[in-house]
Amino acid sequence: AQSVTQLGSHVSVSEGALVLLRCNYSSSVPPYLFWYVQYPNQGLQLLLKYTSAATLVKGINGFEAEFKKSETSFHLTKPSAHMSDAAEYFCAVSPAGGTSYGKLTFGQGTILTVHP
Amino acid sequence: GAVVSQHPSWVICKSGTSVKIECRSLDFQATTMFWYRQFPKQSLMLMATSNEGSKATYEQGVEKDKFLINHASLTLSTLTVTSAHPEDSSFYICSATLAGEGDIQYFGAGTRLSVL
Repeated sequence: AQSVTQLGSHVSVSEGALVLLRCNYSSSVPPYLFWYVQYPNQGLQLLLKYTSAATLVKGINGFEAEFKKSETSFHLTKPSAHMSDAAEYFCAVSPAGGTSYGKLTFGQGTILTVHP
Repeated sequence: GAVVSQHPSWVICKSGTSVKIECRSLDFQATTMFWYRQFPKQSLMLMATSNEGSKATYEQGVEKDKFLINHASLTLSTLTVTSAHPEDSSFYICSATLAGEGDIQYFGAGTRLSVL
C-alpha cells in the first residue's frame, strides 16, 4: 500500500524567495516519486521524477527535489520564486515494479501563491 | 509532444442520463490510459486502468457498470457515466502513457461533470 502526504494545502511566498513544498510518502515497496504541476484550466505536467538513480533530481523551470529514504520525504524546492510559478503542485508515488507499476497515488496538492 | 486532449471540458446533465467523456492522445500511441476522479479540495483518485483492446481494470470500490470504459484504439479511451446522479458530479481526469515510458503519465485538462 502507498500513501502520500503533502504538508500545507496553501503556501505563499514572495517573488525571489525560496520555495519549499513538502511531501512525505509511505510505500511497502521501493517507490518511484513524482512532482506534477497544474496551471489553471490545464492538465497536470510532470516537473520531475525520482526512479532510483541520483537522489537529487533536477526538473523543469528550476525546480529540484531530494529523495531521502531515511525521512521518507521528497520535498520540492526552488531557490527563487517567480510569479509564473503560481500553480497547484501534486506529489505522487508509484511502485517501481510489480502488477501496480505505473499506478500513481497522489497527495492532496499544495497551492503555491507568489506575491510581488 | 505527448499531448492528451479531453472532451468536453465541462458538461451539465440531468439526473438519470448518461454522459460520455473522451480522452485522446493527439501525437502518440497510448499503451495505457488511466481515469481519475477528483473531488473539491481533494486528491486525484484512480478509478481504472485501460489498455487498448482489453477490459479495463477498476480500482476497489469503483462500480464498473456505472463507469463504463472503452479503449477501442491506441489513441482514444472513453468514460461513460451511466444513469448519472448528483453524487457523480465531480472532476474527471484522464492520462496516458507512452510505450517505453510507462512510469510517466501525460494528463488531459479534465472534465467537470455537474448532474442536476
